[in-house]
Amino acid sequence: GNSVTQMEGPVTLSEEAFLTINCTYTATGYPSLFWYVQYPGEGLQLLLKATKADDKGSNKGFEATYRKETTSFHLEKGSVQVSDSAVYFCALTPKTGGFKTIFGAGTRLFVKA
Amino acid sequence: ETGVTQTPRHLVMGMTNKKSLKCEQHLGHNAMYWYKQSAKKPLELMFVYSLEERVENNSVPSRFSPECPNSSHLFLHLHTLQPEDSALYLCASSQGRQAAHYEQYFGPGTRLTVT
Repeated sequence: GNSVTQMEGPVTLSEEAFLTINCTYTATGYPSLFWYVQYPGEGLQLLLKATKADDKGSNKGFEATYRKETTSFHLEKGSVQVSDSAVYFCALTPKTGGFKTIFGAGTRLFVKA
Repeated sequence: ETGVTQTPRHLVMGMTNKKSLKCEQHLGHNAMYWYKQSAKKPLELMFVYSLEERVENNSVPSRFSPECPNSSHLFLHLHTLQPEDSALYLCASSQGRQAAHYEQYFGPGTRLTVT
């Protein structure tokens, strides 16, 4: 079946540190991959996405590359800010039809000033 | 109003009450979703409607009853809930029938507490 595994948190970093949140997936075929972010008291919002192998999604300084050989979609940012403190979710949607998106458990990030 | 709105934002109800959660999307999308978000659990998909037809129903107890009267509105009717149903209920929408190509847009959620 389809599944998403992401690193457990919380992750605590100092401002301007480098961020990596690991995400690996299991899926039939080549799904679309997403990173969503949830700020306190809000719903999820799309951070970036990639729909085919070797695509790189990027937004607000965050990047992730769709790696089919390692079935991974790791999230990176070169210099985090306090405002990046949130919960980050990796997700996949199979291209085999249907509307079911599989979400990872979420990784909470704390950034200290 | 823009995006996806949900009302109420907070709800406290007893186990014998009946209440409804409302979701409205202003994005022209044709698929709408209900999710349950509990502490320390992955996001759980409950229901999906595409063009007002239910297309996913993930073994949700019958005390949760969805309704989608048109492509802009989605309701979740609640009755005789249990304390373990306390959670954040998120509504989302997306465009197109090719779900894999489109991201979902989420509302801010309704924080439900069952006493």
